[in-house]
Amino acid sequence: SAVISQKPSRDICQRGTSLTIQCQVDSQVTMMFWYRQQPGQSLTLIATANQGSEATYESGFVIDKFPISRPNLTFSTLTVSNMSPEDSSIYLCSGGTSGDTQYFGPGTRLTVL
Amino acid sequence: KQEVTQIPAALSVPEGENLVLNCSFTDSAIYNLQWFRQDPGKGLTSLLLIQSSQREQTSGRLNASLDKSSGRSTLYIAASQPGDSATYLCAVRPYNFNKFYFGSGTKLNVKP
Repeated sequence: SAVISQKPSRDICQRGTSLTIQCQVDSQVTMMFWYRQQPGQSLTLIATANQGSEATYESGFVIDKFPISRPNLTFSTLTVSNMSPEDSSIYLCSGGTSGDTQYFGPGTRLTVL
Repeated sequence: KQEVTQIPAALSVPEGENLVLNCSFTDSAIYNLQWFRQDPGKGLTSLLLIQSSQREQTSGRLNASLDKSSGRSTLYIAASQPGDSATYLCAVRPYNFNKFYFGSGTKLNVKP
């Protein structure tokens, strides 16, 4: 199994600023993903974090707004840039190996004022 | 594109009852299917993973089945307890894609 931690657990930010969320896995994983979960909704995949290369973004999400880094097999960051109140959400990272269980972090609750 | 549906959206049962949660998917070419539990304000906890070659998986009071040909999975919870109250989500991974498609979840309330 894998244990995933995220920092920060929550934050309140001002419109127009940026926040970087960190995701740390306690073991090497081949796949890492970033999701957004708006209140009362299911998960929406933002992007797949690729180790050593640019992330693969889903339709509706762009690199300028959500830059992602993944320097190694255990760590990734997601930045929410130029935030607006519509970005208020829970951001979740997950990781796992191909064909195996996906594990999730506890989430980062973001409120943008 | 794979679409995942969960029915019902919400369920309220008395403690001790056996219950079934449903998950359906539109494309049967899946690599695996996973059931998760999410408590309010928390991340997702993995419950069961079923590979495409498997028909079911069991863990304690939970049993998940998979019927790829009909595009369905069920999560059976035996002797439900108030601590089972949470939102249950299923996710499928297609064969050709390294990503997961999530259903909208079933919110379960088990009344003491």
